Amino acid sequence: DQQVKQNSPSLSVQEGRISILNCDYTNSMFDYFLWYKKYPAEGPTFLISISSIKDKNEDGRFTVFLNKSAKHLSLHIVPSQPGDSAVYFCAASSFSGGYNKLIFGAGTRLAVHP
Amino acid sequence: ETGVTQTPRHLVMGMTNKKSLKCEQHLGHNAMYWYKQSAKKPLELMFVYSLEERVENNSVPSRFSPECPNSSHLFLHLHTLQPEDSALYLCASSPLDIANTGELFFGEGSRLTVL
Repeated sequence: DQQVKQNSPSLSVQEGRISILNCDYTNSMFDYFLWYKKYPAEGPTFLISISSIKDKNEDGRFTVFLNKSAKHLSLHIVPSQPGDSAVYFCAASSFSGGYNKLIFGAGTRLAVHP
Repeated sequence: ETGVTQTPRHLVMGMTNKKSLKCEQHLGHNAMYWYKQSAKKPLELMFVYSLEERVENNSVPSRFSPECPNSSHLFLHLHTLQPEDSALYLCASSPLDIANTGELFFGEGSRLTVL
């Protein structure tokens, strides 16, 4: 049973427009939600996170929104740039026993074209 | 030096071989993780070490054997693997600060191909 789901395997956006990536989760006990970005042949790199007690966090062109009642979060990238083309993973984190347990979605491949 | 370093970056092995993946972190973290990424699947947590003690073993077959000799190093020993074990194996680390934001710091991964 997948606790974190990214239902769109791919997304194509024109440069300069907004990219919206979505993620759903089933467990209400997570402490943080995170977005990671991954280029081919590289490890995931942290992009932005949000505490489960917040509903919005913004960092430059990236904003994450959390809707706890719907168990849904989204990542907005605006304006989108060609360098944003990558696979984006949503993750939910709980801290227990001295470590972070992250559960990942399957990823959404974002293509930003000129 | 990069934060989390994995070697080798690429490994091809036969089903009867024994090999090891190595991970080293220079961030002063006390928790280390092995994740497996197969094509079009979520990253799967395999093992977690916290203060050099294994605290999670996520139903991983015994042909994968982790080792954490100290808080900076983590190994994944591989023996009699199957072709379906071919995947990207990712190491990560995190601090033990309970106020952290849940972030894991990943290495670049070791791409394993089992023939």
